[in-house]
Amino acid sequence: QVQLVQSGAEVKKPGASVKVSCKASGYTFSSFGVSWVRQAPGQGLEWMGWISGYNDNTKYSQKFQDRVTMTTDTSTSTAYMELRNLRSDDTAMYYCARAIRYSGYDYWGQGTLVTVSS
Amino acid sequence: DIQMTQSPSSLSASVGDRVTITCRASQSISIYLNWYQHKPGKAPMLLIYTASSLQSGVPSRFSGSGSGTDFTLTISSLQPEDFATYYCQQSYSTPTWTFGQGTKVEIK
Repeated sequence: QVQLVQSGAEVKKPGASVKVSCKASGYTFSSFGVSWVRQAPGQGLEWMGWISGYNDNTKYSQKFQDRVTMTTDTSTSTAYMELRNLRSDDTAMYYCARAIRYSGYDYWGQGTLVTVSS
Repeated sequence: DIQMTQSPSSLSASVGDRVTITCRASQSISIYLNWYQHKPGKAPMLLIYTASSLQSGVPSRFSGSGSGTDFTLTISSLQPEDFATYYCQQSYSTPTWTFGQGTKVEIK
């Protein structure tokens, strides 16, 4: 069965970086892209970016372009999302999701809570 | 970027009611529109993809329609487990798949 398992909750200080992992299983990792989506407290879902599971091509939201890096490790079928220069408004639940071409995100990770606080 | 606008932002309904949520895209997106259900403390769940296709395992009381810029999610008979927030998402502008702002369905 397809599963995406994310790393645990993080508490960071303003200005620090966080790297969240998303380990995939139950499917051929290179056949699908992975997107990252976040939800801040009381807010809606926000698309952050996408990375190909095949060739490491990436596309980032303009909002995060300067602070985010998405990578993969195909040997472990794991996707990573690093967000730098954290601010208090980056406090959110961060999700990874498997992208089906033109057809949405059919599997999601359980979410990783990132709290940014001094 | 393609902007997605949902209406209403929230609604109150009773068990058994027919509920309709609309989503409008800022430009034509053909049929590349998906719907998700999101409950607190859980990951979002895909309900409908490409405007009207029901995701495997999703109850048939959920249906989607539309094309171009205007889309609708309908719940034919609201059940207690359906109280949640619903999001539309365009998947036309690959891979930048933006979401609507959400519609919260609450108990009346």
